[in-house]
Amino acid sequence: KNEVEQSPQNLTAQEGEFITINCSYSVGISALHWLQQHPGGGIVSLFMLSSGKKKHGRLIATINIQEKHSSLHITASHPRDSAVYICAVGATSGSRLTFGEGTQLTVNP
Amino acid sequence: DTAVSQTPKYLVTQMGNDKSIKCEQNLGHDTMYWYKQDSKKFLKIMFSYNNKELIINETVPNRFSPKSPDKAHLNLHINSLELGDSAVYFCASSQVTARSQRGLYEQYFGPGTRLTVT
Repeated sequence: KNEVEQSPQNLTAQEGEFITINCSYSVGISALHWLQQHPGGGIVSLFMLSSGKKKHGRLIATINIQEKHSSLHITASHPRDSAVYICAVGATSGSRLTFGEGTQLTVNP
Repeated sequence: DTAVSQTPKYLVTQMGNDKSIKCEQNLGHDTMYWYKQDSKKFLKIMFSYNNKELIINETVPNRFSPKSPDKAHLNLHINSLELGDSAVYFCASSQVTARSQRGLYEQYFGPGTRLTVT
């Protein structure tokens, strides 16, 4: 079992829909990261959070430390949001990141 | 200005060859990483260097040897390439500051190097 589990693995939505991607982890963490990987392959860091909630444009990330769970929400989804979204956790000991397997999001027009 | 750059972007080579991938960051970060992304898109840490010192070395075959000539560069040399080495290799960097902030760092990724071993 991975230390970081994401769900769903694949998600197809219609443009305008509200999207939620979930991440659960089993280790103690200092921070949780949400990354986006576009079809071209580049990886971009969307959020880094250790508590509460962060918002950037149409993207919202929340984390519940007690429940070891984080969600990434996309409001008013758009085809350009189609990408793989990856959850990663930074352990309390050391600087490594441990990754989830990613969620492939496809937003259709 | 490119923050984290890797060369080459694509590398096609035959089994048994030796190849290198180079990574440079101009962000002034003190920590650099190599990750491997397999065909299922799963990312896994391979190595991490902090100020030219190796701090993470996962169970990677010793055919893989990282070299950090200075804190802005982290190269990956692979000897005797095997079919299973085919993957996308990502370099990343971050600024890991005080011990109390361990884990609270944002990582910046390079564009990746797609290695195909035939």
